[in-house]
Formats: sequence, structure tokens, C-alpha cells
Amino acid sequence: EAGVTQFPSHSVIEKGQTVTLRCDPISGHDNLYWYRRVMGKEIKFLLHFVKESKQDESGMPNNRFLAERTGGTYSTLKVQPAELEDSGVYFCASSQLAFGELFFGEGSRLTVL
Amino acid sequence: RKEVEQDPGPFNVPEGATVAFNCTYSNSASQSFFWYRQDCRKEPKLLMSVYSSGNEDGRFTAQLNRASQYISLLIRDSKLSDSATYLCVVNIGSNYQLIWGAGTKLIIKP
Repeated sequence: EAGVTQFPSHSVIEKGQTVTLRCDPISGHDNLYWYRRVMGKEIKFLLHFVKESKQDESGMPNNRFLAERTGGTYSTLKVQPAELEDSGVYFCASSQLAFGELFFGEGSRLTVL
Repeated sequence: RKEVEQDPGPFNVPEGATVAFNCTYSNSASQSFFWYRQDCRKEPKLLMSVYSSGNEDGRFTAQLNRASQYISLLIRDSKLSDSATYLCVVNIGSNYQLIWGAGTKLIIKP
């Protein structure tokens, strides 16, 4: 069975550009989460989807970040316009149950120059 | 003060030794506790949940001390493959907004 897949694995963009990260959760997992790890810091929660609905988006840093999960399948996280401090690794995770084990993707490394 | 604090290490330990990490958390309302393992440039993977009564999984033992607000992870008979960063994770309340420690780096040497 395929795990959580994320694309791209690494993206290098210039400040002010737009980047869209994609996450495909494990099939059948209604719960999808975005986390990020900024260099030298701990992993931080961004938001939680249950199917296509945003259950909790309190971790989103500002309105330059937009997450969607159309149809309750894959999710995208768009950063527009990107700033230097957005550089880091963005992890997606999914779980079958709300408090079940989280399965993480390998992450999308974003570098903003 | 960080919500979840860990000694960043690195802990350099000879193969076969026993090693223990502690992690402290600040929110007394924390309800669920976990240890995750992360290999270099890879995703975090759940190592084990931590239960109030303590729990063991093979060479790994996790314990929770709610009074002192810390959790521990003990690794016995360490293997080279145990080299990784160990992340302490806490869940507060009824959502799944996990609070992560920055991780403790473990290096097992032959």
C-alpha cells in the first residue's frame, strides 16, 4: 500500500514567487495534517483537514498560506508570495482515525532565496 | 519557555549500551504523549505512544511522570540502526495539534 506522498521533494524559489506543495494521503484516511519545520526549530502544526473540511487551521502563520483539499482526497498548500522565513520542510501526515497513528510523508523542502 | 523541551544532544553511545532521554512539557493539561523517531532528511515515524502506566516495546521502554511533567525513553542493548533523532510529542486537549520537541540526536558507535 502506498504511503503518504508529497511533491515536490525540494523547491527553490525567489522571494515573492508562489509555490504549491501537494500531498496525497494514504487512501481512505479522512484526516490530513500539514506541519512544517523551520531550520533549527521544532516541528509546528499548521492545519488539520477532516475530509474536505478544515477542522483546525490555527497554526497557519498568516494569510500568505492557503491550504485546500478538494474532494477530500489530495491536499495542496500554496504560499503566495513566499518570504525568506517560509524556508523549511513541510510535512504532510494522514490518519484513519482522528486520534490514530499519524503517517508522515517524506516532506517538501522549500528554500526561498 | 518551550512547551516541550528536550536535550538536543548529540548523545554518543557505544553499541550495546543503554541510553535514556528525558523530555519535559509545560502544559499540565497535556493528555497524550508520544516518541517519534526521525532519520536524517526523512519523515518522523511513530516509535511508541507513552501510557500512564509505562510501556515497553522490545528494547524500548517509555514512562510518563505526570506529577513532574516529564516523559522518558530508555533504549537497551542499543544498535547502530538506533542512530536517529528522537522527538518527544505531546497532544493537548481534544484536537490533534501536536506539540513537538526539537529532538534529541542519538549516535550509536561501533
